[in-house]
This record gives sequence, C-alpha cells and structure tokens, in this order.
Amino acid sequence: QKEVEQDPGPLSVPEGAIVSLNCTYSNSAFQYFMWYRQYSRKGPELLMYTYSSGNKEDGRFTAQVDKSSKYISLFIRDSQPSDSATYLCAMSGPLNSGGYQKVTFGIGTKLQVIP
Amino acid sequence: NAGVTQTPKFRVLKTGQSMTLLCAQDMNHEYMYWYRQDPGMGLRLIHYSVGEGTTAKGEVPDGYNVSRLKKQNFLLGLESAAPSQTSVYFCASSYNLPLDEQYFGPGTRLTVT
Repeated sequence: QKEVEQDPGPLSVPEGAIVSLNCTYSNSAFQYFMWYRQYSRKGPELLMYTYSSGNKEDGRFTAQVDKSSKYISLFIRDSQPSDSATYLCAMSGPLNSGGYQKVTFGIGTKLQVIP
Repeated sequence: NAGVTQTPKFRVLKTGQSMTLLCAQDMNHEYMYWYRQDPGMGLRLIHYSVGEGTTAKGEVPDGYNVSRLKKQNFLLGLESAAPSQTSVYFCASSYNLPLDEQYFGPGTRLTVT
C-alpha cells in the first residue's frame, strides 16, 4: 500500500463548477499537508500549505485536513479554464537524523475545466 | 531573478552513456533536491542537499550521483544510463528549513534507448 493515495483522474468539469480533489494517507506521522499545481510540461508550484486539521482558505481555494480519517481535500470554487492542471497532494513527517523532513507526493489528479 | 533553472531541457541517451544534469538557483536557498517524475509513480526524491558541500540519498538514489560544490548549483550525474532512468527530472530548492516552500525548475526530459 502506498503511503499516499490519489486518484489520477482525469477529472473534467464545466467552467464555474466546484471541484473536489482528495488524497488519503496511511502514515500517521505526517504533520504537514500541501497541494501543488503542475501545468503541462512545467514544474510543480505550491498552492496551499497547512499543518492542522480543519479548513484553510485562499481565494477560490480551500484546503481541508482530517487527521482522524487520514484524508485531505482541495476545493476549487468557480473553477476556471486556467485551473486546468495536475494537482499533487504532498505530505511530510518528522525530521530525520540528517535534518531533512521527507516530503511524499501523491501521483496527481489531472483536472480539465471546460469553457 | 530566474528562480530555478535546469540544463538541458531534453536529452536522448543510449544505454551505457553518461551525462550530467545541471540545476542552478539564484534565491540563495540552502536546500536543494533532485526528483524524478514517472507516470503512476508521482515525484520521488533521488538525492538532496542541506547546504553547500553536503549531499544525502533520497528514496531512489541507485544509479545516480550528485555534487553541490557551490551553494547555487546542484549537479545530478548518470554514470551509465539505463532505460529505467527514462523520466522527467525536476530540481527544486528551498530557503532553509525543509518545510519551506520548494521551488521547482521546469524539468529535464530524459529518454534512454
């Protein structure tokens, strides 16, 4: 079983729809939760970052973490064609002896927003 | 401010050939990372560096070597390329603590035939 599970999609939605993207994880040591957005043939860029259970909003984006269920979500309101990208969840756990906190990425969900 | 740049953008190698991928960042970041991204596998850490002159193994280090002689540069070497190393390689950097945002480069698409 992978530490982080993410449905690869693709997910197609009409412009203006609310999008829900999800990841589950098995490692209870994960403390920090991130969402990256990756446009085609580009590097990932950090979208949102949270370390506690609950919701965090940033504009049209809401990140939700439920540590008891080991489940995280990203909601996109009023989706736009420019939101079409692959969304990667990422999680990190305690520092190792080398001073590094490993980041484990999901495989990404490909989202297409149709105009 | 160019951020993180990678050279080359594309490369085709024959099995057994060697090459070096160059990553450069102009943000004065301490931490640098090399990842590979494969379909269905996500991003996997190859090697990382927590500062100039230091390197450490990540999740999938076999077949790769790295060097960080200068703070702004992180080199990834393939000594004897294998078809299994066909992938997209991303370099990233972060300022200080490993939890700081990682800034990714545009990637290098490598095909080994």
